[in-house]
Amino acid sequence: DIVMTQTPFSSPVTLGQPASISCRSSQSLVHTDGNSYLSWLQQRPGQPPRLLIYKISNRFSGVPDRFSGSGAGTYFTLKISRVEAEDVGVYYCMQATQFPHTFGQGTKLEI
Amino acid sequence: QVQLVESGGGVVQPGRSLRLSCAASGFTFSTYAMHWVRQPPGKGLEWVAVISYDGSSKYYADSVKGRFTISRDNSKNTLFIQMNSLRVEDRAVYYCVRDAGNRYGAVDYWGQGTLVTVSS
Repeated sequence: DIVMTQTPFSSPVTLGQPASISCRSSQSLVHTDGNSYLSWLQQRPGQPPRLLIYKISNRFSGVPDRFSGSGAGTYFTLKISRVEAEDVGVYYCMQATQFPHTFGQGTKLEI
Repeated sequence: QVQLVESGGGVVQPGRSLRLSCAASGFTFSTYAMHWVRQPPGKGLEWVAVISYDGSSKYYADSVKGRFTISRDNSKNTLFIQMNSLRVEDRAVYYCVRDAGNRYGAVDYWGQGTLVTVSS
């Protein structure tokens, strides 16, 4: 199974300042079709997760452009350009390149 | 809009069975693969199982393989998971999740979840 490791475990942030979360996979996420199926999800308190980014760097419908994703191979990053209060929650990376799909352990973003 | 509504959760003794359902609406259910993902209270997400759009392919996490069975009824827009031989460690909120499709390679919409508690 592919192990996904996120850092940091928690991230105190300041409103209006940038934030960054890293995710490392135990093996390359490049699929045989050439795509890397790495996504980022946000889970606000008391809510189910919500898709933010798919295929490393593509924002899902309705996601603000302050969220961006980057990376390749086994190392990936989610960046928030200017943190807003509504961004508080836990962020997960997820790989869907192979079964079983696996998640990172989560990074808690707190003000 | 896409809606996924889980039901069937509750308290069950170890070794017993439970069947969860997920009623889907707002999209053409029969054209999407579907997943179950679980989350123990206060902990992270664990992928459980997936079923293809037509039910012909299924994959499971090792932790549930042989005990859980995912299925679907496209005529009723409903996803199921039959959970047998339940263990204390199966206690979690179970989410019904839509696969976004090959173009995305991700999961996009989640239900609100249903809580399963396994306790004697």
